[in-house]
This record gives sequence, structure tokens and C-alpha cells, in this order.
Amino acid sequence: EDKVVQSPLSLVVHEGDTVTLNCSYEVTNFRSLLWYKQEKKAPTFLFMLTSSGIEKKSGRLSSILDKKELSSILNITATQTGDSAIYLCAVEAIQGAQKLVFGQGTRLTINP
Amino acid sequence: DTEVTQTPKHLVMGMTNKKSLKCEQHMGHRAMYWYKQKAKKPPELMFVYSYEKLSINESVPSRFSPECPNSSLLNLHLHALQPEDSALYLCASSQVALGRVIGNEQFFGPGTRLTVL
Repeated sequence: EDKVVQSPLSLVVHEGDTVTLNCSYEVTNFRSLLWYKQEKKAPTFLFMLTSSGIEKKSGRLSSILDKKELSSILNITATQTGDSAIYLCAVEAIQGAQKLVFGQGTRLTINP
Repeated sequence: DTEVTQTPKHLVMGMTNKKSLKCEQHMGHRAMYWYKQKAKKPPELMFVYSYEKLSINESVPSRFSPECPNSSLLNLHLHALQPEDSALYLCASSQVALGRVIGNEQFFGPGTRLTVL
């Protein structure tokens, strides 16, 4: 059975800290790994990673995939209270059509 | 236009009601999805439509009936639901490129918050 596991499940830090969120996966026919940020409603897309070892960056956020270790990390530097959200990792597997398998999410809280 | 829209935003229904959730996208995407998300849980896939054909049904009870009238629209018909079906229902869409590895982001709509009494 396809599985995606995120850690930690919950993290509380102070504004300005740097955080690293982890995602590991076991899926057949891996195609890509995606990170989403979910605040109150729909998940919003952050990154898609398909190639191992290539870092994707967007402002203070960055992510990298390690296909050998079947894992990915999401880094957030100089955190702000607006970064407080649930961060979801999802892995795209090929099953006729695209299917996303989600991890359980990391709830990140940034205190002022 | 990179938006997926969903209506209604909120829905309260009784167990004997029949209602429908609607989803629309105009990005030319050929894959559309329904997810169910309970509080503090990740989204769970329900259905996938690829080129207007149902390609994945994750063993969803028949009281949920999906429909894809055309490439831009996706409906979810609800009948005889149970209180445990109360959840946030998310629609998503993506380009589909079967057999090729390319970026294939899923864009999510804002969801319909469903309450079954």
C-alpha cells in the first residue's frame, strides 16, 4: 500500500527561527513529490519535485528530494507568523491517471 | 485563469435530501478530482476523472455519485448521506500526460463545507 509519512506532526517555534519539515514515502511508480500549505481552506501549491538533489526555492522556502532515501525536506528560514499552517506532503503515483497520496501533515505554529 | 471554483461554500443537508456539489475550472486541465477532508486529517482521494472518464474510484459508497459533463465541470451528487459524511469536500484539477513524466501540479478549489444532520 502506498504510504507517505511526515514528521514532526506538530512544531511550535518563535518568529525568526528556521524550521525543517520531513517527508518520507513508499509508493509504487513514483512520479513526483509535492508540498502544499493549508491554512483554513484549500491546500495551496508550494513545490513540485521530480529530480533528486535539485533544490527548489521560493523566497524563504526551499525543498529538496532524495530519491535514494525516498524522502524530501521543506525548509523555511526567518519564519514569520504568516507561515503558521499545516504543511502537506503528497506523492504522485502513476495509476492510469495521476493519483496523489497525502501525508498526515505537519502543523507549524510560529509564535511572535 | 488559474482558479478552481466550487459551489456552494457551505451546505447543510438532512439524511433524506438529495444535493449536488459543483466544481469548475477553465485552465484546460483534463483531469479532475474529488477529495474528502475531515478535521485535522489530510485530504483523502475519492474519485479521479481523466478526459471526462472515471478512472479511479477509491471504493466510495454509492451515496456519492460523481459526474463529469464536460472537461471544465465536475459534479458530486449526494443522496442519503450519513452524519459521518460531514467534511470539507475539495475539488482539484491538473493537466494529464499519461506515460510522460512532466510537472503535473494539482490546483485545489476552496472546498464545500458539508454538514449532514
